[in-house]
Amino acid sequence: GESVGLHLPTLSVQEGDNSIINCAYSNSASDYFIWYKQESGKGPQFIIDIRSNMDKRQGQRVTVLLNKTVKHLSLQIAATQPGDSAVYFCAENNAGNMLTFGGGTRLMVKP
Amino acid sequence: GAVVSQHPSWVICKSGTSVKIECRSLDFQATTMFWYRQFPKQSLMLMATSNEGSKATYEQGVEKDKFLINHASLTLSTLTVTSAHPEDSSFYICSARAPTGVSSYNEQFFGPGTRLTVL
Repeated sequence: GESVGLHLPTLSVQEGDNSIINCAYSNSASDYFIWYKQESGKGPQFIIDIRSNMDKRQGQRVTVLLNKTVKHLSLQIAATQPGDSAVYFCAENNAGNMLTFGGGTRLMVKP
Repeated sequence: GAVVSQHPSWVICKSGTSVKIECRSLDFQATTMFWYRQFPKQSLMLMATSNEGSKATYEQGVEKDKFLINHASLTLSTLTVTSAHPEDSSFYICSARAPTGVSSYNEQFFGPGTRLTVL
């Protein structure tokens, strides 16, 4: 079936550096993508989203890039802080308005 | 706005008992709620879609007689794990889709999750 996957299970960065988390998706019909942050023992927290008619969207310290040609999604976090340490999931919204989650990437920020 | 709560936040039960988990949308009406299960170090897997006033739609491989879902009102959905066994131990997370105007396109708001441990 269709799936969303990630390249890196764990990403370790130095505090203050920029982080890039990648995600590959396979359903070309997906029209909406979301990045979530999940801290230990908590539910997913919305970070940023992007519709398929866009290729870039910026928020506060975060940017999402969408490359529909190669079905690739990335989350960029500027000036990574210890509070950014968490597991990050990408999710795609398919034609049935369901969310399919990727496998997750653990971001570890070293002080 | 757009807050979703779950109760309880954690529960420990004996094998063979049933456990009910509540999911509430606190400041909006949700016609559709979703139930996910997350095992340690894994991603969220959709179990079922719950629509107010109708039967839930279960994903392939999820036993509808074991995971009973009731969506009796626009702000409450419940998941009952019947005859729970240790392999049902997991983190159960619900989400609610807010109507247009409350959120951005098709956004789901997630609850804080319920940790179920079956002894």
